[in-house]
Amino acid sequence: GNSVTQMEGPVTLSEEAFLTINCTYTATGYPSLFWYVQYPGEGLQLLLKATKADDKGSNKGFEATYRKETTSFHLEKGSVQVSDSAVYFCALRLDNFNKFYFGSGTKLNVKP
Amino acid sequence: GAVVSQHPSRVICKSGTSVKIECRSLDFQATTMFWYRQFPKQSLMLMATSNEGSKATYEQGVEKDKFLINHASLTLSTLTVTSAHPEDSSFYICSATQVQGRTGELFFGEGSRLTVL
Repeated sequence: GNSVTQMEGPVTLSEEAFLTINCTYTATGYPSLFWYVQYPGEGLQLLLKATKADDKGSNKGFEATYRKETTSFHLEKGSVQVSDSAVYFCALRLDNFNKFYFGSGTKLNVKP
Repeated sequence: GAVVSQHPSRVICKSGTSVKIECRSLDFQATTMFWYRQFPKQSLMLMATSNEGSKATYEQGVEKDKFLINHASLTLSTLTVTSAHPEDSSFYICSATQVQGRTGELFFGEGSRLTVL
């Protein structure tokens, strides 16, 4: 089947710390991979995506590399800010379908 | 980016009543809208796929008579929770894809938190 597993939160970091949120997937076929972010009181927003193996998605200092050999798409940021506090969702989409599979979300708390 | 709006953002109702949640695409036309349900500390669970002008496609285990979905226009889809019970309390999120092309991107509403007393 198709599923996404991401690390449980909450993750609490100090400002300027390094962030890693792990995400692994199982999929039938060749998925595109996504990270979405949900700020308090808002809907999910696309943070970055990668559509094929070895692609690196990046945005706002965040990046994630599509690793087919380890079926992973870990989210990283070198120096987090308080404004990065949010819930982060890893997701996959099977090509030719609009159906997304989401992980459970990881809440990030960044303290000043 | 494109904007999807949900209303209401919060609703509290009594057990046995029905609740309607609206999902609108404000600046684009969406042939397809999706309804998700999010339980605390769990992933978004796809409930149904709604195509404009046709019946919604429900995921396995989702009661179609319980969760009525209507997609009457290219900018509006509604989810009606009929005869709501406390176990229906949850966070409901809609999303939509644009008509033109296949960007692979979903645009999400802000979510609607339903509390059934």
